[in-house]
Amino acid sequence: EPEVTQTPSHQVTQMGQEVILRCVPISNHLYFYWYRQILGQKVEFLVSFYNNEISEKSEIFDDQFSVERPDGSNFTLKIRSTKLEDSAMYFCASSEAPRMNQPQHFGDGTRLSIL
Amino acid sequence: DQQVKQNSPSLSVQEGRISILNCDYTNSMFDYFLWYKKYPAEGPTFLISISSIKDKNEDGRFTVFLNKSAKHLSLHIVPSQPGDSAVYFCAASARGSNYKLTFGKGTLLTVNP
Repeated sequence: EPEVTQTPSHQVTQMGQEVILRCVPISNHLYFYWYRQILGQKVEFLVSFYNNEISEKSEIFDDQFSVERPDGSNFTLKIRSTKLEDSAMYFCASSEAPRMNQPQHFGDGTRLSIL
Repeated sequence: DQQVKQNSPSLSVQEGRISILNCDYTNSMFDYFLWYKKYPAEGPTFLISISSIKDKNEDGRFTVFLNKSAKHLSLHIVPSQPGDSAVYFCAASARGSNYKLTFGKGTLLTVNP
């Protein structure tokens, strides 16, 4: 069964450094998402991306965050200058289309630890 | 943000019995509801969904019930199996929101052999 893959599985970074989290969505999917889960809290929506542009973003997704689809397969999340509070599990998801009955499929996540 | 609430952090059932996981929501714009299962060190795995035009959807051992007037949905697993032990997340989305998902905090289900 096709799956969403994320790399790395664990990233440790010094505060203030830039970090790029990578995702390969399912190949025929057109809609891409990033979510995060801080330890002990809910999974939270960050951003959705379609047709090479952001379609929606949350309040969390400030100017320090950016997303990109640099080629036909990868989807990346960049945090420009990391803060301690960015430590979380980051999940990438994709779906065939942004409509009902097209569930989002998630990767296994990247655990980001900011020191 | 408490738009989707799972009030039971954990549930323990015996193998072969029914597991019932509950979820409440407050946003009347939600029109699509999903359940995801999550094992440790893995991402959420889609389980079953229901649209707001239905009140029941069944897939094998899993059935989701939606009560729109009460803004409540439940997931029934019958019979429960030890491999069902995981965290179950309720999620909801609204048409106008590009179907971004709003999650509950999850319920840890333990199925005892």
